[in-house]
Amino acid sequence: AQSVTQLDSHVSVSEGTPVLLRCNYSSSYSPSLFWYVQHPNKGLQLLLKYTSAATLVKGINGFEAEFKKSETSFHLTKPSAHMSDAAEYFCVVSGIPLGAGGTSYGKLTFGQGTILTVHP
Amino acid sequence: DADVTQTPRNRITKTGKRIMLECSQTKGHDRMYWYRQDPGLGLRLIYYSFDVKDINKGEISDGYSVSRQAQAKFSLSLESAIPNQTALYFCATSDHSGFGMRDTQYFGPGTRLTVL
Repeated sequence: AQSVTQLDSHVSVSEGTPVLLRCNYSSSYSPSLFWYVQHPNKGLQLLLKYTSAATLVKGINGFEAEFKKSETSFHLTKPSAHMSDAAEYFCVVSGIPLGAGGTSYGKLTFGQGTILTVHP
Repeated sequence: DADVTQTPRNRITKTGKRIMLECSQTKGHDRMYWYRQDPGLGLRLIYYSFDVKDINKGEISDGYSVSRQAQAKFSLSLESAIPNQTALYFCATSDHSGFGMRDTQYFGPGTRLTVL
């Protein structure tokens, strides 16, 4: 089985201050982990992904996340928030294979989402 | 992502009506997916297709059907819409990179469906 828990449904920060969005996961497999962002009335955009290479992953727009296996966490951070960062963020785990043999792929399990608000 | 398009973007319909949501992609990916998003629940998989001849049910397929008309097109149908199918629907694609569990999915802009 696999699951994702985003520990905060809402996070509010001031512009220029650090951002921390927390994510814990569980997986019976060696997982891939992703962060997606969804701006209002927009689709999901991939921010970054972890696929068993470096544990510190850098993404777009200054975001990064660190995979910590011992803590089963994949928290998203940014040193300095911008107004344009206001959006909903989803932590996603991919681990359970679907399909048989060569057609398998990792089923995505989404967290419930964290809404980030950035104040001037 | 402009490479994955969905039509319509918004739709309001009545209970019992048949509805089709369409997805097209120019990424050249073999794999396509349909998800629905409900507040507080994240995204849940409805159907997925690894190629034109391979279609599979996801975790919440009841009340839905799909058609993979071509590599680039994947349609989702609600044969008889009901109010609890009101949601935001996303299409996604991924490439079969040969390392299946690492596939990255790319999402369309979504279709907001309201069933009255």
